[in-house]
Amino acid sequence: AQKVTQAQTEISVVEKEDVTLDCVYETRDTTYYLFWYKQPPSGELVFLIRRNSFDEQNEISGRYSWNFQKSTSSFNFTITASQVVDSAVYFCALRVSGSARQLTFGSGTQLTVLP
Amino acid sequence: NAGVTQTPKFRILKIGQSMTLQCTQDMNHNYMYWYRQDPGMGLKLIYYSVGAGITDKGEVPNGYNVSRSTTEDFPLRLELAAPSQTSVYFCASSYELVQETQYFGPGTRLLVL
Repeated sequence: AQKVTQAQTEISVVEKEDVTLDCVYETRDTTYYLFWYKQPPSGELVFLIRRNSFDEQNEISGRYSWNFQKSTSSFNFTITASQVVDSAVYFCALRVSGSARQLTFGSGTQLTVLP
Repeated sequence: NAGVTQTPKFRILKIGQSMTLQCTQDMNHNYMYWYRQDPGMGLKLIYYSVGAGITDKGEVPNGYNVSRSTTEDFPLRLELAAPSQTSVYFCASSYELVQETQYFGPGTRLLVL
């Protein structure tokens, strides 16, 4: 069975601070995919990034960056120079290869960026 | 493209009532999913479909039914609403590719009293 743990339930930072959201996953599959989704106060789920298990390269997209480490089964998400608009719940999710294709979600981290 | 659309946005049901949550996607995705999100929790899979006419149970299917008569539509049916089904329901879809990403609808907030 798969499991995703986001140990940080809530994080508060002041605008312009950097913040890292942790994600630890468990799976026995060798082929899997990791995702981050953002859920702003409006409630919709916004796709941010997908990484596959064969690609451990870190990725940067503007103020967002992701650090994937198979050795520690982690897929952490960093926001640089945070902004108030970054306030949201962030979910890490895991999907393994196979017929089911469903996502296993973590419980989410509520990020609040204070002005 | 409108993406994934869901109706209604919000609904209040009495215990024992039934209703259908509608989900439509216009991206020609083969895979469609229904999730529920309880307060302060991540999403849990209710049912999914790999194509028209094919559906299967997810992690929490009890109390729900689905059908998939077309590629575009994947309605979720609640037959006898219970307070435990108070939740936000998300529909999602994805291509039938190795690295497909699931795209989500805006959600339906359901309150059962």
